[in-house]
Amino acid sequence: DSGVTQTPKHLITATGQRVTLRCSPRSGDLSVYWYQQSLDQGLQFLIQYYNGEERAKGNILERFSAQQFPDLHSELNLSSLELGDSALYFCASSGQGYSGNTIYFGEGSWLTVV
Amino acid sequence: SQQGEEDPQALSIQEGENATMNCSYKTSINNLQWYRQNSGRGLVHLILIRSNEREKHSGRLRVTLDTSKKSSSLLITASRAADTASYFCATDGSSNTGKLIFGQGTTLQVKP
Repeated sequence: DSGVTQTPKHLITATGQRVTLRCSPRSGDLSVYWYQQSLDQGLQFLIQYYNGEERAKGNILERFSAQQFPDLHSELNLSSLELGDSALYFCASSGQGYSGNTIYFGEGSWLTVV
Repeated sequence: SQQGEEDPQALSIQEGENATMNCSYKTSINNLQWYRQNSGRGLVHLILIRSNEREKHSGRLRVTLDTSKKSSSLLITASRAADTASYFCATDGSSNTGKLIFGQGTTLQVKP
């Protein structure tokens, strides 16, 4: 158990819909990251938040947005869903910023868009 | 785009044998991390090796790093059936963020 908690574990939704994935980082970790794992793209970095502020951005679609709340939990919002958005979405966390700290991943949220 | 490339893509060995997986990357790094993923499950952190380190051990795991060749290897000794999983290397591309760049992974099957 990495200490990073993600909900829901699985969800199935229709194209065009919007979903929210939730993440609780490890206790004390200030940085939260979101990654997407798909068969064709592999593991891709989406976005990082540090203590509520966006720190780094990857290839995150405009239809996707994220935020980190004062209690440090984070949410990833996916809207206008397409079939190609079906993937395993990971949240990860690390202490302080990054600075070479180990990044711990949650179990992921399986999203299936039908 | 993927920075790291693992080799081989798939590896099948008998229990008790050693398994070696290699990772190559393209840019300079601060650190390189190895992760394990059981089928469809979460990523489990195995080892972090810093750019100024050449070798690191953790139990049956041994990781080496050659920054001149931009490569790393993961050795699992005395493998067990429970080691069956996909193994990924991830580099930080010398950024000070947690933007890890993953390879495609090596799928290891350990036969009992």
